Amino acid sequence: RKEVEQDPGPFNVPEGATVAFNCTYSNSASQSFFWYRQDCRKEPKLLMSVYSSGNEDGRFTAQLNRASQYISLLIRDSKLSDSATYLCAVKDFTTSGTYKYIFGTGTRLKVLA
Amino acid sequence: DAGVIQSPRHEVTEMGQEVTLRCKPISGHDYLFWYRQTMMRGLELLIYFNNNVPIDDSGMPEDRFSAKMPNASFSTLKIQPSEPRDSAVYFCASSLAGGTSSYEQYFGPGTRLTVT
Repeated sequence: RKEVEQDPGPFNVPEGATVAFNCTYSNSASQSFFWYRQDCRKEPKLLMSVYSSGNEDGRFTAQLNRASQYISLLIRDSKLSDSATYLCAVKDFTTSGTYKYIFGTGTRLKVLA
Repeated sequence: DAGVIQSPRHEVTEMGQEVTLRCKPISGHDYLFWYRQTMMRGLELLIYFNNNVPIDDSGMPEDRFSAKMPNASFSTLKIQPSEPRDSAVYFCASSLAGGTSSYEQYFGPGTRLTVT
């Protein structure tokens, strides 16, 4: 089983639709969680961190379910400009006392006019 | 802040040649990560450094790959000899340590490597 798994999509949705992505992780001790957005031929950029209580930033809502070991991203009223690949990332602490990030392969979203 | 800087942005080379990718992390960040991204495998962690010390290189594909961080503001990823299957986008990222904090990583623009 991969450490972090995502449905690769693509998710094709009309403008104005609500779309949700899930991401599962295998390490129950994972500490922090993030959603990144990656546009074509660009680097990943942080979209939002995911807090235990859930958090919202405008049209975007992120949630964490530790019991089932998944995080989710909900996009409301989707815009054409939301078309991108969305990567989830998990921050794990290691036995060496350092940490590293593990990324999912990304979910591709296409918002259609 | 200029963000994470990578060079070159594009590299085309012939099989067997040595390739060196360069990265300058954000000033003050004490973690540096090298990733490789392909359509098939997504974003793979190759190696990461903490305070210039390599911590985990288990993601480095084979001995042809090596990475160094001689100081806090510079790192290199070298492939020698290069092979066509090394063609990918190579990203460098940096971050702050922070215990259980949710400090995120910042990525450089990447180096698009093509080996013919």
